[in-house]
Amino acid sequence: GAGVSQTPSNKVTEKGKYVELRCDPISGHTALYWYRQSLGQGPEFLIYFQGTGAADDSGLPNDRFFAVRPEGSVSTLKIQRTERGDSAVYLCASSLVGNAEAFFGQGTRLTVV
Amino acid sequence: ELKVEQNPLFLSMQEGKNYTIYCNYSTTSDRLYWYRQDPGKSLESLFVLLSNGAVKQEGRLMASLDTKARLSTLHITAAVHDLSATYFCAVDIRRGGADGLTFGKGTHLIIQP
Repeated sequence: GAGVSQTPSNKVTEKGKYVELRCDPISGHTALYWYRQSLGQGPEFLIYFQGTGAADDSGLPNDRFFAVRPEGSVSTLKIQRTERGDSAVYLCASSLVGNAEAFFGQGTRLTVV
Repeated sequence: ELKVEQNPLFLSMQEGKNYTIYCNYSTTSDRLYWYRQDPGKSLESLFVLLSNGAVKQEGRLMASLDTKARLSTLHITAAVHDLSATYFCAVDIRRGGADGLTFGKGTHLIIQP
């Protein structure tokens, strides 16, 4: 596709539920990043994939958060037992290689009620 | 821990005026990015600064990087209303061999007609 695509654009879920957020990177981009942006803040790094492997997951806040990229393209961010504090916009970005300019998707706005 | 500080965090200015946004960071890096974000939208890449002394200009915006001072500036010349947005700087450091951006909190810019 022309840009990074994220689905859904909005997700409302109840506290304690499980959610999956999907990211389709730009075709051919080997590097993929997940960020979380809370209201009024800058994005915070969560995890970085180079190909299929998570090269750096140091930003994941706890073990309720997990992400996969099984075929080196689409990635899914998974959040278990959601909490109200998980409410934020989750942004995905991709780049051609790991140290090249990253392009961001429109984000998924997650609201935990 | 890398810290990225922007100032001001909020700026209201009149059309036609000039102003500068500052971005300080705490750890050595030679790769700095500026992004624009409109309300409810994702991040749009403005500039990538890759070396000490780098200067880039696009329209009424000009960005510079001083790696020795760990400072980047985004200068706005003869501001117009369309430039109203939130501007983020982001610094790229290698996190144990991987790459990820650390963002400032953003500068919310309002340009009044």
